[in-house]
Amino acid sequence: SQQGEEDPQALSIQEGENATMNCSYKTSINNLQWYRQNSGRGLVHLILIRSNEREKHSGRLRVTLDTSKKSSSLLITASRAADTASYFCATDAYFGNEKLTFGTGTRLTIIP
Amino acid sequence: DAMVIQNPRYQVTQFGKPVTLSCSQTLNHNVMYWYQQKSSQAPKLLFHYYDKDFNNEADTPDNFQSRRPNTSFCFLDIRSPGLGDAAMYLCATSRDLGAGGQEQYFGPGTRLTVT
Repeated sequence: SQQGEEDPQALSIQEGENATMNCSYKTSINNLQWYRQNSGRGLVHLILIRSNEREKHSGRLRVTLDTSKKSSSLLITASRAADTASYFCATDAYFGNEKLTFGTGTRLTIIP
Repeated sequence: DAMVIQNPRYQVTQFGKPVTLSCSQTLNHNVMYWYQQKSSQAPKLLFHYYDKDFNNEADTPDNFQSRRPNTSFCFLDIRSPGLGDAAMYLCATSRDLGAGGQEQYFGPGTRLTVT
């Protein structure tokens, strides 16, 4: 299965601290995306990184991708209470594949 | 605002009683997806439409069917819901031009309860 695994499963930090979540996957990918899901809601796209990219930034988000290790990390800097959510990585296995396979998710709690 | 809309947000049905969930989009995206998400799990793709072409996942039970009458609407039919079908059902869309790897836009989900 292509499904990614995320680590840790749950993370609690103080507001203002940085949060790092990791995603590992099993087979070669075309792109990797990160999504956020607030409790009981749909997913919201955060950032996409292509297989030939190593790092990408968007606001307080920093994503890295290591295709040799089949892993990615999402760093949220200066966390806020509103960042409390579940975070999922998602991969598409090959060029032209419109399907995504989601990882198991990390539940992030920001303590005010 | 362009968006993905799911109705109803909450649906209660009885064991074995057919139920239909609906999804509409104003994004004019060519791909629409249905996911099932159980508590604390990853979304699991049930099927998707690429334009009018229906693509079923190999492990999607026959109990689940879908219809896409036009670009904007997509329906999920559960013919005989079982207790194990209680979950959040998420609809998503993407604009795919053949390269894949596009971001998906999700609706708020329909939470299905089976009694």
